[in-house]
Amino acid sequence: EPEVTQTPSHQVTQMGQEVILRCVPISNHLYFYWYRQILGQKVEFLVSFYNNEISEKSEIFDDQFSVERPDGSNFTLKIRSTKLEDSAMYFCASRPTISSYNEQFFGPGTRLTVL
Amino acid sequence: GENVEQHPSTLSVQEGDSAVIKCTYSDSASNYFPWYKQELGKRPQLIIDIRSNVGEKKDQRIAVTLNKTAKHFSLHITETQPEDSAVYFCAASLGYGQNFVFGPGTRLSVLP
Repeated sequence: EPEVTQTPSHQVTQMGQEVILRCVPISNHLYFYWYRQILGQKVEFLVSFYNNEISEKSEIFDDQFSVERPDGSNFTLKIRSTKLEDSAMYFCASRPTISSYNEQFFGPGTRLTVL
Repeated sequence: GENVEQHPSTLSVQEGDSAVIKCTYSDSASNYFPWYKQELGKRPQLIIDIRSNVGEKKDQRIAVTLNKTAKHFSLHITETQPEDSAVYFCAASLGYGQNFVFGPGTRLSVLP
């Protein structure tokens, strides 16, 4: 069964550094999402992406964040200047367009630790 | 925007008993309500979902009910097993392509 994959599984960075989190959505999916989950808290929506542009973003997704689909398979989340409070698990998700359901398939997550 | 609340935050049941988790949502336009199970350190995985034109859906030991008028939906797990122990998140969505708004989660512990 196809799955969403994410790399790296764990990223440690210094405050102020840039990080890029990578995701490979399921191949025939065209909607992509980033969510984050601070330890012990709920999953929070960051951004959705469709047809090579952002379709929706939350207030968390400020100018420090950007997303890109650089090729036909990868979907990346960049944080330009990390802050301590960016430490969280970041989940990528994707969903197919041709579906009577709205299920989103989640990747295994990248744990980001900002020191 | 949409706000999803979930209760209880923790739930302990004896193996074989039933577990019920309840969620409420605020936006009457929401029309899709998935439930995700997240085991420790793992990704959220869909266990069941319900659309707004359906009042109840069942899949083996799990079922979900939806009351659109009251804007609440519930997850029911019968004959609980230790492997059901996890954090369960409900979510609401405005539908096609829209993001999910998650509830805060319920930590379910099934005691042997």
